[in-house]
Order: sequence, then structure tokens, then C-alpha cells
Amino acid sequence: GAVVSQHPSWVICKSGTSVKIECRSLDFQATTMFWYRQFPKQSLMLMATSNEGSKATYEQGVEKDKFLINHASLTLSTLTVTSAHPEDSSFYICSASTSIPHTDTQYFGPGTRLTVL
Amino acid sequence: DAKTTQPPSMDCAEGRAANLPCNHSTISGNEYVYWYRQIHSQGPQYIIHGLKNNETNEMASLIITEDRKSSTLILPHATLRDTAVYYCIVRQIGNSNSGYALNFGKGTSLLVTP
Repeated sequence: GAVVSQHPSWVICKSGTSVKIECRSLDFQATTMFWYRQFPKQSLMLMATSNEGSKATYEQGVEKDKFLINHASLTLSTLTVTSAHPEDSSFYICSASTSIPHTDTQYFGPGTRLTVL
Repeated sequence: DAKTTQPPSMDCAEGRAANLPCNHSTISGNEYVYWYRQIHSQGPQYIIHGLKNNETNEMASLIITEDRKSSTLILPHATLRDTAVYYCIVRQIGNSNSGYALNFGKGTSLLVTP
């Protein structure tokens, strides 16, 4: 199946710093990439949707100036958590959607665990 | 997207078939049924999807009722590595320019025991 990678797999940072997370589709071109976050013992919550070359669409309650998304190519999207605070500590997961008609399956990265001290 | 209802948890003995039900009584004609699973501290894994016909792949089988209001995911011979949270999601398929996000509910926590 299609492979999506994320880097880093985990990161610990100090409050007030910025953290960049990369999401790559390794063997296919992704029309759309999605960013989710998951707090302990909760389900995945969609943060934003990004199409290559377009501005990301953010879900209600997600600050676009705090969570910067760049989707520069069909295989790479980045999420930057700016001025991170302890409440931003979470499991961040990206997914990439194929553009094959009648399939549109999303493939997920392994996730990035962010801990803000 | 239509809402889905799944039991919060299920147990299954190793080697036996695991049958995970999902109710989606408000599904629309253009909505597909997708199944994903998430093993602890990993990203979700795609399992299978279907529209109205039963589907089978190397991982599982998907049985969709004729009225499409419910479905069952079948893991024919469950192993300990199948212990995970299983999500049943109903959604449209995107076009070539844009995909649709997945609305994850609470899923079913499947525990496979020795």
C-alpha cells in the first residue's frame, strides 16, 4: 500500500518555541493532505485540509496563525506549531489522499508526538 | 457525512473470526463505508471500503446490508496484532482535485486474547 512518512516521530520543546512537522507521501502524489491531532484517550480531530498550491482550510476553533500549514508539492506538507504551549502537547497525524477515481483512500503517517514543557 | 454507531468494545479469541458491526442508518446514496484501524500510538491504517457490494481483500471482508444501513467488518482469523481501535466511517469520495476528510468517531476497541 501507499506509504506516508512523518518527521520527527517525537519532539520535546520549550514553551514559546516553534516546531515544524513534515509529512511526505513516498510513492504517490497526494492531491490533498490532512492534519489531525489526537489527545490521550480521544479520537482523531481534523485540524486542517490542504491542497497543493492552495491555502489550507482550517476547522473551526483551529488558529491558522498558530498552526501554519504549507503544501508546496504533491508529496510534501508541513505543519508548524508556532509559539507552542503545554496545551499544544498532542499526537499530530497527517494523511494523504490519492487522486485515483472511486478510491480516494487516505493513507496516514505514523504520527508525531509533541510534548511542550 | 452520515453518522455511524459502533459498540465501544469487543473481545475475540485468537484464531477466531472477529465480526465488528457498524450502524449507518442515515447513509446517502453517494456515500461509501470505510474502515480504518489504529493500533496504540500509531497512525490509522486503511483496511477496506465499499459502496454497496461486499468487498474482500487480504486484510478483511466487508459485508454491507442490502439497504446499506449497516455493515460488518470481518477479520477471518484474528491475531494478537489485530488488537486495535476500529473505526467505521461513512463519507463521499472526492474528485480528482480535492479529497474529503475523515470524521473519526469513537470506534470499537477490539481486544484479541490468546
